[in-house]
Amino acid sequence: KNEVEQSPQNLTAQEGEFITINCSYSVGISALHWLQQHPGGGIVSLFMLSSGKKKHGRLIATINIQEKHSSLHITASHPRDSAVYICAGAGGGADGLTFGKGTHLIIQP
Amino acid sequence: DSGVTQTPKHLITATGQRVTLRCSPRSGDLSVYWYQQSLDQGLQFLIQYYNGEERAKGNILERFSAQQFPDLHSELNLSSLELGDSALYFCASSVFPSGDSSTDTQYFGPGTRLTVL
Repeated sequence: KNEVEQSPQNLTAQEGEFITINCSYSVGISALHWLQQHPGGGIVSLFMLSSGKKKHGRLIATINIQEKHSSLHITASHPRDSAVYICAGAGGGADGLTFGKGTHLIIQP
Repeated sequence: DSGVTQTPKHLITATGQRVTLRCSPRSGDLSVYWYQQSLDQGLQFLIQYYNGEERAKGNILERFSAQQFPDLHSELNLSSLELGDSALYFCASSVFPSGDSSTDTQYFGPGTRLTVL
């Protein structure tokens, strides 16, 4: 069974801080999705990666396949980054995603 | 706006009833995924359809069923509703036609909030 563990569960930081959210996953997962869920409930796909590193604006996602670990970094954090960040593993083939429990991030001004 | 639409936004019903949730994928997307998000279980994959055919099943209860129509919209039917079925139900569609969640970015709809009283 695919499993995804995410940490921390909750994170409060000051505006401008560098943020790291971690995700570990089990054998059988071949790609990681990072999602952002806004307070209103909507979900936005941030990254999908199976190797290396991706960057979009102030967001950076990395994955280490050997260690089965992925990180999401936010540089120069801003209060509008406050949201729940969810990592989700994809097992390859026709499977849906296996989700971590999410990290509730609050950026204080 | 992801381009995925879901109706209704909110649904309040009673135990034992049956409801239908509707999802229209992004134009050109062949794959539709259904997910349930509850307070105690978090997000869970329910079922995937690809070009009208069931492709994969997750933690979908036997009381739940889904289908994808020729115009690619999908419906999730929930019957004999219980209090524990109260949740946010999301559908997502994938940008590439492979139907493979390890290579396809998924675009999520706004969700339907179901409350069972």
